[in-house]
Amino acid sequence: GESVGLHLPTLSVQEGDNSIINCAYSNSASDYFIWYKQESGKGPQFIIDIRSNMDKRQGQRVTVLLNKTVKHLSLQIAATQPGDSAVYFCAENIGSGGYQKVTFGTGTKLQVIP
Amino acid sequence: DTEVTQTPKHLVMGMTNKKSLKCEQHMGHRAMYWYKQKAKKPPELMFVYSYEKLSINESVPSRFSPECPNSSLLNLHLHALQPEDSALYLCASRRGGDTDTQYFGPGTRLTVL
Repeated sequence: GESVGLHLPTLSVQEGDNSIINCAYSNSASDYFIWYKQESGKGPQFIIDIRSNMDKRQGQRVTVLLNKTVKHLSLQIAATQPGDSAVYFCAENIGSGGYQKVTFGTGTKLQVIP
Repeated sequence: DTEVTQTPKHLVMGMTNKKSLKCEQHMGHRAMYWYKQKAKKPPELMFVYSYEKLSINESVPSRFSPECPNSSLLNLHLHALQPEDSALYLCASRRGGDTDTQYFGPGTRLTVL
């Protein structure tokens, strides 16, 4: 979803449940997508990525799904833990070489309820 | 070593001051980036250096002046900033391939009085 004013979209999840964070991207020429996790006071941390020739990629406890038809990405976190509480950004990559740009989505705040 | 370091961690400056932010990586990455992040907003790209040459400038005001003295270092020189420039300034680096991971530093929290 899109942020309104200063408020980030927030997802509250019970510890142990699965989390799904959604993201819409804008540029059909984007060829590479990344999910970042940002904890308070820290820089974004890479979680998982996916190329445009794939529709699913799995990591440890995380899965990214890509639907190019509707320009939609999702991040699934299995068995959500308190340490997963953070802001999650999807990012799309356009261009190549020195002209490659990564553009971030608006972000979703994940709150894990113990 | 997958670390990007940034100094200082915090910086408070007046509108007439000149200061510099520093970013360093020793991963042999050939692309380095400056981003600006306001509270509750995503990072916004400012500059990209590729092989020590400025390749992207996202129409950033001239009061921000980037510099890449060598392949490991990236500076951001600040002069005559405005209070609205207060933000978290993030540096990132990437090896150079189109789908290589971008690694971020912890950022410098800048406050302009």
